[in-house]
This record gives sequence, C-alpha cells and structure tokens, in this order.
Amino acid sequence: AQSVAQPEDQVNVAEGNPLTVKCTYSVSGNPYLFWYVQYPNRGLQFLLKYITGDNLVKGSYGFEAEFNKSQTSFHLKKPSALVSDSALYFCAVRDGNAGKSTFGDGTTLTVKP
Amino acid sequence: NAGVTQTPKFRVLKTGQSMTLLCAQDMNHEYMYWYRQDPGMGLRLIHYSVGEGTTAKGEVPDGYNVSRLKKQNFLLGLESAAPSQTSVYFCASSYKGAGLGTQYFGPGTRLTVL
Repeated sequence: AQSVAQPEDQVNVAEGNPLTVKCTYSVSGNPYLFWYVQYPNRGLQFLLKYITGDNLVKGSYGFEAEFNKSQTSFHLKKPSALVSDSALYFCAVRDGNAGKSTFGDGTTLTVKP
Repeated sequence: NAGVTQTPKFRVLKTGQSMTLLCAQDMNHEYMYWYRQDPGMGLRLIHYSVGEGTTAKGEVPDGYNVSRLKKQNFLLGLESAAPSQTSVYFCASSYKGAGLGTQYFGPGTRLTVL
C-alpha cells in the first residue's frame, strides 16, 4: 500500500522567512502526490499536486512543492511566510483506483509576526 | 456553486442512538468519500463510492453504513453510536477523469457520542 509520512508535528517560522513542511512517501509505481491545507474548523482545501513532469510544482497562495525521486520526498515550500499561512497541512498520496488517497498525520504550521 | 455541503454541522448523541450524516455535491463528481479526523491521526477513510448505487469499504468501516442512491448525495449512517465514534467527519468528492485524485472537501460534521 502507498503511504506518506510527515516527520514534524509542528513547524514554527517568523513572518517573512521561508518555510518548509516535509513529506516523504512510499509507493509502488509512479507517485501521485498532493498537499492540502486545513484552517481551523474548516474542511481541507487542495493546494497543489504532482502527477508527472517538472519536479517543482506551483500551487495556490504562493506555495510550491519539490518532488525528489531519489529522496522520495515532496516538501512544501514558500519563500516568504505570512501569518495567515498558519494552519494544518496534509500531504497525501493517491492509493489505488477510485481516486482514493492516503493522508499523512498532518503538520501544524505557525507563523509568528 | 456550493461545492460540497454537509449536514448537520454539529451533533451530540447518546450511546446506542442512531443518526445519518448527509453529504451533497453539485460538481457532478463520480467519486465520493467519507473520512473521520481524530487528533494526531490524520484522515482515515471510512467508506467510498465510485458511482451511483455503488459503495465500498475503506480503512475503518466498522460501525458505519453508507448509501449512494443519487449521484450527488452520499449518506453515512451510524446504527448504534459508540463513544469511540466521537470525531469530526468529512465528506469529499473527486472527478473520475483527468483530475483524478484531487479531492474537494465539505466543512465537516462534529459528532460527540456520550
């Protein structure tokens, strides 16, 4: 089965600094990888995905993610963090047919002014 | 275009009571999913559906039943609620074709079982 791991429960950064939220994956075959964001008391929102092609994927709200096949990683990045980026971030991998995905446990990002 | 909606938003049940959570989507998606979210455990798939009239078990199906009588609706039922089913429940839907994998989520239902 496919799986993803988010090694950090919490990431703290200062506003204006670059941020990275880490994700590693384990798949058989080609990976279909996703990042979602969850704001308090809301459902998850899609940020970006990697299917194939360029290893640097750009998404919503200025986020991007770098796919690294040799390190089996798909880290989420942003050059300059905003306080409003504070949220819970989930990495996910498509698992089998029917569009199912397996989600990581989530990383809480806190951006301090 | 409302996207994915869920009713109710909150519910408190006593052990042994039953209830149904309703999910509706207006994006003509083929696939629909029910997840539960518990602290530190991410999202776990309960049941899913690949089309009207079809359902399948996910990772944690015990204690739940589902039905998809119409393409736009996906119902999650708890026949005899238990405290272990206290959780936040999310419904999601996705396209069958080129966008396969990207899921669109509802706002969630917070369920407490006493």
